[in-house]
Amino acid sequence: SQQGEEDPQALSIQEGENATMNCSYKTSINNLQWYRQNSGRGLVHLILIRSNEREKHSGRLRVTLDTSKKSSSLLITASRAADTASYFCATDGGGFKTIFGAGTRLFVKA
Amino acid sequence: DGGITQSPKYLFRKEGQNVTLSCEQNLNHDAMYWYRQDPGQGLRLIYYSQIVNDFQKGDIAEGYSVSREKKESFPLTVTSAQKNPTAFYLCAIRTGGNEQFFGPGTRLTVL
Repeated sequence: SQQGEEDPQALSIQEGENATMNCSYKTSINNLQWYRQNSGRGLVHLILIRSNEREKHSGRLRVTLDTSKKSSSLLITASRAADTASYFCATDGGGFKTIFGAGTRLFVKA
Repeated sequence: DGGITQSPKYLFRKEGQNVTLSCEQNLNHDAMYWYRQDPGQGLRLIYYSQIVNDFQKGDIAEGYSVSREKKESFPLTVTSAQKNPTAFYLCAIRTGGNEQFFGPGTRLTVL
């Protein structure tokens, strides 16, 4: 089954720096989503980008999608300590399924 | 977490025991999902339901069972046939726009 794979697995940056996470997937998609998970909590939906879109913004988040390379990136600008979390990409898995990657763990140092 | 509740937050199971995890939603969505998350891993789909009285197996359904008698409720039973049930369990609803919204999760530990 297709699956998003995030890169890097872990990322540690200073507050105020930008954080970039990448996601690669295997087969054609209709949309790709990014979620955030704070430790021990449920996932929170951040942004959905459709296959006919190349870039989308939401506040300090910028998501790009390159369907020719089967890849997406999530950029968090001017990161804050509160951005410390795991970030997952998710792709439509056929039918009503959503396939989640293993995630990138982001640690923002104050 | 919105209008999705899961209970209990922590659950301990003895060997050979069945336990049931609750998931309730007041968001009036038809589609509900159960996922399992192991430490440092992504989510794996256990079961999902698109409508009342109907549900489908996900990728790791063995040792689990569900019911969907009401739109608001989608309980998951972890049976004694699930040999390694210690994990974090997440329930979610899916909107018409494909976004999923998650409950706060239940952490199950086998004693």
